[in-house]
Amino acid sequence: EADIYQTPRYLVIGTGKKITLECSQTMGHDKMYWYQQDPGMELHLIHYSYGVNSTEKGDLSSESTVSRIRTEHFPLTLESARPSHTSQYLCASMGRMGNTIYFGEGSWLTVV
Amino acid sequence: AQRVTQPEKLLSVFKGAPVELKCNYSYSGSPELFWYVQYSRQRLQLLLRHISRESIKGFTADLNKGETSFHLKKPFAQEEDSAMYYCALSGLDDYKLSFGAGTTVTVRA
Repeated sequence: EADIYQTPRYLVIGTGKKITLECSQTMGHDKMYWYQQDPGMELHLIHYSYGVNSTEKGDLSSESTVSRIRTEHFPLTLESARPSHTSQYLCASMGRMGNTIYFGEGSWLTVV
Repeated sequence: AQRVTQPEKLLSVFKGAPVELKCNYSYSGSPELFWYVQYSRQRLQLLLRHISRESIKGFTADLNKGETSFHLKKPFAQEEDSAMYYCALSGLDDYKLSFGAGTTVTVRA
């Protein structure tokens, strides 16, 4: 089924740990995005990609990094997690036609 | 820089009453405006976009370039309209989508 998947949905990790949030979409979309959202607050674009081997930083500075080696896969990595990274991370994708973004269910990260 | 402002964080209305969610934007070029909605325990999804000029679930939104606004309206609110609503903007040649802070709508019986 065409969809966008995020794993893990919920994660609690200790300070200093490395974490990768996975995002995969089966819609063949070329554009993919990562947003960060604290509860009740606005979504902030932190990374985006227009295609394979293309990654750009978004409007909000983030210590995370991303890669886009395959069209369907856009993982986000934190090399050394800190409590300030506690947030929800939303992955999204957009196809060639139109500007409709499709969102995943989100990954809730808590760093203790 | 593009920016989207939703001045109301919370909006409470009675069932059957009209509801209007405000959205103002700043953008130097020609923007494309959207409303996204997130129902409880569901993912964020597109509600409507200004270029479609359509009504979805009874909601409409008109782009007013003079006032740089894209307010969302529904004449008769229903309980199932209770959700979080986000206004969003992108440039016609730019696929970066910027979101407002969101408005939580509660429709009371």
